[in-house]
Amino acid sequence: KAGVTQTPRYLIKTRGQQVTLSCSPISGHRSVSWYQQTPGQGLQFLFEYFSETQRNKGNFPGRFSGRQFSNSRSEMNVSTLELGDSALYLCASSGSGNWFTQYFGPGTRLLVL
Amino acid sequence: GQQLNQSPQSMFIQEGEDVSMNCTSSSIFNTWLWYKQDPGEGPVLLIALYKAGELTSNGRLTAQFGITRKDSFLNISASIPSDVGIYFCAGQLDNSGGGADGLTFGKGTHLIIQP
Repeated sequence: KAGVTQTPRYLIKTRGQQVTLSCSPISGHRSVSWYQQTPGQGLQFLFEYFSETQRNKGNFPGRFSGRQFSNSRSEMNVSTLELGDSALYLCASSGSGNWFTQYFGPGTRLLVL
Repeated sequence: GQQLNQSPQSMFIQEGEDVSMNCTSSSIFNTWLWYKQDPGEGPVLLIALYKAGELTSNGRLTAQFGITRKDSFLNISASIPSDVGIYFCAGQLDNSGGGADGLTFGKGTHLIIQP
């Protein structure tokens, strides 16, 4: 079974731009969560989508948004990029066996200049 | 947000030595997960624990879910060079919320193996 895939793997943007990241979960997994990882803050939860609905949300500003499609693929969007948004963005999927056991993709490394 | 205290922050060990790291919290967790992350990659799930007192092994790795549900430890026996990386604990808080609710992560333990 293929793992979680994320595209693109690397991205360079400038302040004020917006960016869209994509995640394809493990086949059969319906829950997709997004995390931001930085050296200073570690891994922080952004939001979780299940059946095309945002089910849980972390403590991030409204510039961070996401959506999920009927095939469970998910996208995350960050508008009006700031320098502090530079980070590794990780997507994780989980199945109905245990929603809390999450499997991560390789991440998208975003650099904001 | 909730804090998971993971220690040690880093470990310098000799190949063949055993390794032990742990995570503690003042909050109660329903699930404990241990991940390993290599540079430039996403975390890879090593062991998942679902019940207080549960002891689970995965090859040379052994992890336990603390009886109080506020802590967990991970042991690695007979370390080898490919064990190098960052090990994270993650917990699912006991808040009766549905869905993922987001995992709470420790800051990680950097494992460095000296030849």
